[in-house]
Amino acid sequence: AQRVTQPEKLLSVFKGAPVELKCNYSYSGSPELFWYVQYSRQRLQLLLRHISRESIKGFTADLNKGETSFHLKKPFAQEEDSAMYYCALSGRGGDDKIIFGKGTRLHILP
Amino acid sequence: GAVVSQHPSRVICKSGTSVKIECRSLDFQATTMFWYRQFPKQSLMLMATSNEGSKATYEQGVEKDKFLINHASLTLSTLTVTSAHPEDSSFYICSASRDRGPGREAFFGQGTRLTVV
Repeated sequence: AQRVTQPEKLLSVFKGAPVELKCNYSYSGSPELFWYVQYSRQRLQLLLRHISRESIKGFTADLNKGETSFHLKKPFAQEEDSAMYYCALSGRGGDDKIIFGKGTRLHILP
Repeated sequence: GAVVSQHPSRVICKSGTSVKIECRSLDFQATTMFWYRQFPKQSLMLMATSNEGSKATYEQGVEKDKFLINHASLTLSTLTVTSAHPEDSSFYICSASRDRGPGREAFFGQGTRLTVV
């Protein structure tokens, strides 16, 4: 069964400190992994996807197939990073559904 | 950018009535749209996948007669909550993909807050 697990509901980090939001998944096959972010009073939006191997707003995430993980990292947290972060998974088919983890609220302390 | 718009953003209805929520892709064609339900302080729960011109695919545990989904065109999908009850009160969110295949991005509507009294 498809499953995305984000073990932390809330993560508080001081400004300038490193950030790591954990995500583990369960999927029979080769999944696509994403991180979505929801800032206060805004809609959900894509942050990054593993297939692009990109760094967005200083965030990176590496797909570790051995550990079935897709942790989100940033070396130096900024106050504007405070938001709700969702890890998501999809199959590779064109119409495959996107399943979300429960989300982690990142709170950057000044 | 790709914009997905939901209407209404907030609705209050009486128990037993039906409510329709619209999801539109404003500047792109979306062959597939997704409907989610979000409970307070919880994640998005996928309800169904809506494909243009065909029946929606519902997730296990979601009553298809209760939550009617119609995807009449490439830019519009509707969710109708029939015979609404207070337990149907929730935040409903739709999303649509502009592309197909690996790494495609889903664009989200702003959500609809449904309150059944």
